[in-house]
Amino acid sequence: GAGVSQSPSNKVTEKGKDVELRCDPISGHTALYWYRQRLGQGLEFLIYFQGNSAPDKSGLPSDRFSAERTGESVSTLTIQRTQQEDSAVYLCASSVGLAGVQGELFFGEGSRLTVL
Amino acid sequence: QQQVKQSPQSLIVQKGGISIINCAYENTAFDYFPWYQQFPGKGPALLIAIRPDVSEKKEGRFTISFNKSAKQFSLHIMDSQPGDSATYFCATGGGNKLTFGTGTQLKVEL
Repeated sequence: GAGVSQSPSNKVTEKGKDVELRCDPISGHTALYWYRQRLGQGLEFLIYFQGNSAPDKSGLPSDRFSAERTGESVSTLTIQRTQQEDSAVYLCASSVGLAGVQGELFFGEGSRLTVL
Repeated sequence: QQQVKQSPQSLIVQKGGISIINCAYENTAFDYFPWYQQFPGKGPALLIAIRPDVSEKKEGRFTISFNKSAKQFSLHIMDSQPGDSATYFCATGGGNKLTFGTGTQLKVEL
């Protein structure tokens, strides 16, 4: 496909369980971003990858959150010991260059996480 | 995170009217100011963007007005249509990421 692909599209889990969210960026896009969108709120930056490195992890809310990227392609966001406040839509985006300087972010449709 | 203040939170406009959404930022180092449009169930998509060397940019019915001294920028949607009903996010860019506003839900009524 030509766009950013995220899976699962919906995930319902019980409090305390671990979840993994996957992102397949657009081929050739070196930069990859994770954002969180809580209901009725804006997009909250979580982490940014340039290639397989994460120069900016400043948005990760706690040490329960981690992310990795392999092969300068797929990225996985892992949330350990989920809490109800983790319920949100997790959006992945990719770009050719740096989003803040060189332009457009291409977003996936998101993974909706519900923690019961 | 750096703040971007967006208003109004929601907006209802009649078909054919003008929709105006405002954003204010704090960090003068920002040098890229895009607007994103999000339909329900979809990810945001770039609508229009401006850099601080110009005060206005127009693309079709969409215009960004930029006031560098006031650290404010706004989106104007002329001749608003029901298909414009969506959530709009302003953002500021500098360095490696975008910082987004809280979003404006626009509804265009017939």
